[in-house]
Amino acid sequence: AQTVTQSQPEMSVQEAETVTLSCTYDTSESDYYLFWYKQPPSRQMILVIRQEAYKQQNATENRFSVNFQKAAKSFSLKISDSQLGDAAMYFCAYRGLLDGIQRGPGTYKYIFGTGTRLKVLA
Amino acid sequence: DGGITQSPKYLFRKEGQNVTLSCEQNLNHDAMYWYRQDPGQGLRLIYYSQIVNDFQKGDIAEGYSVSREKKESFPLTVTSAQKNPTAFYLCASSIADRNTQYFGPGTRLTVL
Repeated sequence: AQTVTQSQPEMSVQEAETVTLSCTYDTSESDYYLFWYKQPPSRQMILVIRQEAYKQQNATENRFSVNFQKAAKSFSLKISDSQLGDAAMYFCAYRGLLDGIQRGPGTYKYIFGTGTRLKVLA
Repeated sequence: DGGITQSPKYLFRKEGQNVTLSCEQNLNHDAMYWYRQDPGQGLRLIYYSQIVNDFQKGDIAEGYSVSREKKESFPLTVTSAQKNPTAFYLCASSIADRNTQYFGPGTRLTVL
């Protein structure tokens, strides 16, 4: 079964500095997607960045980038030039096949990590 | 504006009562999902639906029920059989189950 692990319950970063949040996962699949979601105090889950496993190039979205190491099954999120608005819970998520067999609708499922709370210090 | 709405934002229930949480989307998405979020446990899948009039149990379906009579709507009923219903509930949708999920603002349910 697939698993997603976020080993850092809480991280702090100084405003304008860079921080990296860690995520590891376990799977036997070769085709899957990985995501980082942000959950601010409003508790709405917001998509930050997405990475397709078949792409070797790391995804970037403005100040957010990932370090995707497929062989190591690692998917870390780097936030550059941290801003006060970046303070939130960050969840790593894996999207893969429900039971390893590709069929029709209902084949895929998401698995979420337990989250990392990021504090940004002024 | 296109998006996912959930209502109410806060909901209080007495023990033994059933309550229904609303989730509506106008994104023309086929797939819809319900998750439960507890402190320190991330998100756990309750039910999901890929098409109208069809839905499947997720990892923690016991004590919950859903319906999908319209593409836009996927209400979740928390029944009295759910032993620990106090939690934050998130609804999500995607174009199809292989696509990125987008989330609503959530409903906080508290059992008194």
